[in-house]
Amino acid sequence: EDKVVQSPLSLVVHEGDTVTLNCSYEVTNFRSLLWYKQEKKAPTFLFMLTSSGIEKKSGRLSSILDKKELFSILNITATQTGDSAVYLCAVRGSGGSNYKLTFGKGTLLTVNP
Amino acid sequence: GAGVSQSPSNKVTEKGKDVELRCDPISGHTALYWYRQSLGQGLEFLIYFQGNSAPDKSGLPSDRFSAERTGGSVSTLTIQRTQQEDSAVYLCASSFGQLNTEAFFGQGTRLTVV
Repeated sequence: EDKVVQSPLSLVVHEGDTVTLNCSYEVTNFRSLLWYKQEKKAPTFLFMLTSSGIEKKSGRLSSILDKKELFSILNITATQTGDSAVYLCAVRGSGGSNYKLTFGKGTLLTVNP
Repeated sequence: GAGVSQSPSNKVTEKGKDVELRCDPISGHTALYWYRQSLGQGLEFLIYFQGNSAPDKSGLPSDRFSAERTGGSVSTLTIQRTQQEDSAVYLCASSFGQLNTEAFFGQGTRLTVV
């Protein structure tokens, strides 16, 4: 069964700090890893990673994947209060259910002013 | 449509009643997923559709839960004889059918069983 573990479960920082969120996984025939930001109900898509070592970047957010060590990190630099959210990591494999996204429990990030 | 649309946004129902939750995926997306998120919990997979067929129903928690998809578009998740433990946010997502494509979520339906 596919498995995703995120750490830390929660994190409190001050505005301007840099944070690193972790996601490790076990999946049959890895296909892709996705990061989402969830503020209220709907998770908002951030990044999809398929290849090791290639950094995806969007503004102050960046993410990288290590397929050998089976993990990904999400970095947020110069954090703002608007970054406060739950960050979800999901993986997609091509095992029994080719398209199923398996999610971790998320990291709750709180950015204080 | 521009995004994944779910209705209703909120639903309060009495224990024992049946409810139907609707998901309208992004136009052209052949893959559709239903997830459930209980308070403070992660996303729990329920069912996945490719076109109108559901190759993976492994996440449906009991036979009170069923889902269908017609015309390769709109999907309905039905919960019969609702129980209080069914209270959660039900999220729908859609993507193109290929393996390495992004999945986008709707705003969810918050179901409260009283």
